[in-house]
Amino acid sequence: GDSVTQMEGPVTLSEEAFLTINCTYTATGYPSLFWYVQYPGEGLQLLLKATKADDKGSNKGFEATYRKETTSFHLEKGSVQVSDSAVYFCARGGSNYKLTFGKGTLLTVNP
Amino acid sequence: GAGVSQSPRYKVAKRGQDVALRCDPISGHVSLFWYQQALGQGPEFLTYFQNEAQLDKSGLPSDRFFAERPEGSVSTLKIQRTQQEDSAVYLCASSLARTGSSYEQYFGPGTRLTVT
Repeated sequence: GDSVTQMEGPVTLSEEAFLTINCTYTATGYPSLFWYVQYPGEGLQLLLKATKADDKGSNKGFEATYRKETTSFHLEKGSVQVSDSAVYFCARGGSNYKLTFGKGTLLTVNP
Repeated sequence: GAGVSQSPRYKVAKRGQDVALRCDPISGHVSLFWYQQALGQGPEFLTYFQNEAQLDKSGLPSDRFFAERPEGSVSTLKIQRTQQEDSAVYLCASSLARTGSSYEQYFGPGTRLTVT
């Protein structure tokens, strides 16, 4: 069935460091891909998405590129801030409209 | 406008009790989803509505779980005879689209259920 595997955390970085959180997905069909973020005490928020191969989603300095050849959708940010501390979830959609999520990666950014 | 709201935010139930969790989606959103998020895990799909029709309930873990959306807006997830393994955060999400996974889902804050 559909599945998403993402890099296990926790990830701890210093402010202004480069961030990569790896995500791979099962290649069944042509899914849309998403990154959601969950800030402490808040609900899930869509961070970015990509709907077809080679699309790049971007938002708030975060980027992820839909790589069909490697079935990956890695999240990157060039310079993280303390306010980026949160749990990040990679997810895939599919023709059956439900989202399949990874287990989440806790990011802590220290000043 | 207002986002997705859920109530109660926290619920403690004794094992064997019935609980009802409410979701108010964004006005005009056709699609509504329920997910279950265990501690330290990602959300897992429970069920999906398009307007008042429940089109997919394949994720409901047992027949103790029941969801409804009678007028195509507010939805209720009911859990009968709660068990400790039901302890989780229950998330509701709504989407403008009728179908199509590319349309984003907007999530509510969740209801944290603790079964003692």
